[in-house]
Amino acid sequence: QVQLQQSGPGLVKPSQTLSLTCAISGDSVSTNNGAWNWLRQSPSRGLEWLGRTYYKSKWYNEYAVSVKSRIAINADTSRNQFSLQLNSVTPEDTAVYYCAKGGEWRELYWGQGTLVTVSS
Amino acid sequence: DIVMTQSPLSLPVTPGEPASISCRSSQSLLNSNGYNYLDWYLQKPGQSPQLLISLGSNRASGVPDRFSGSGSGTDFTLKISGVEAEDVGVYYCVQALHTPLYTFGQGTKLEIK
Repeated sequence: QVQLQQSGPGLVKPSQTLSLTCAISGDSVSTNNGAWNWLRQSPSRGLEWLGRTYYKSKWYNEYAVSVKSRIAINADTSRNQFSLQLNSVTPEDTAVYYCAKGGEWRELYWGQGTLVTVSS
Repeated sequence: DIVMTQSPLSLPVTPGEPASISCRSSQSLLNSNGYNYLDWYLQKPGQSPQLLISLGSNRASGVPDRFSGSGSGTDFTLKISGVEAEDVGVYYCVQALHTPLYTFGQGTKLEIK
């Protein structure tokens, strides 16, 4: 059973970059069966998928249109983890951020969540 | 974008009684492989969402058999045959077929009467 451990700062200043990491145990970030996702949850926007990375002979990334110009999701095979970077954040990016594995049928297995507040 | 609509949004239930949540999508979730890409999650208070049902009707590992999912195309239902106190939380339906890849319903808050 995959386990996901998130880490990263809980407070980010406006206009700066939000960075979170998700460490994987019980699976490999390079697996051909699955994808590695970032989502967020806020009272105003509900649950929102941000993007994913996955490996099928090469690495692929897919991002939600709402954040496509500001987001990067990268895999680190040496550390068996993946990361989220969200640039130019505003208070509207305040949310609980989740990493999640997408399984064979795209079902999601979630990390513990990280509350990130954007404030000066 | 695809829209997922759940009802009801609030669901008070007496322990032992059945409960039912409806989920409708604005586009069909039936893939050419014959599977409906509709999942159900429960978010218990203070926790991350956890998978209950995948592909419309497949119970996830460890999920009690009082939970069942049904439906196809655009109309889906989650049923709990007899609600227990540990079932409280917010239930979400999620589509995993169309772009954006995961679109969530508004959530249905189940509480014990």
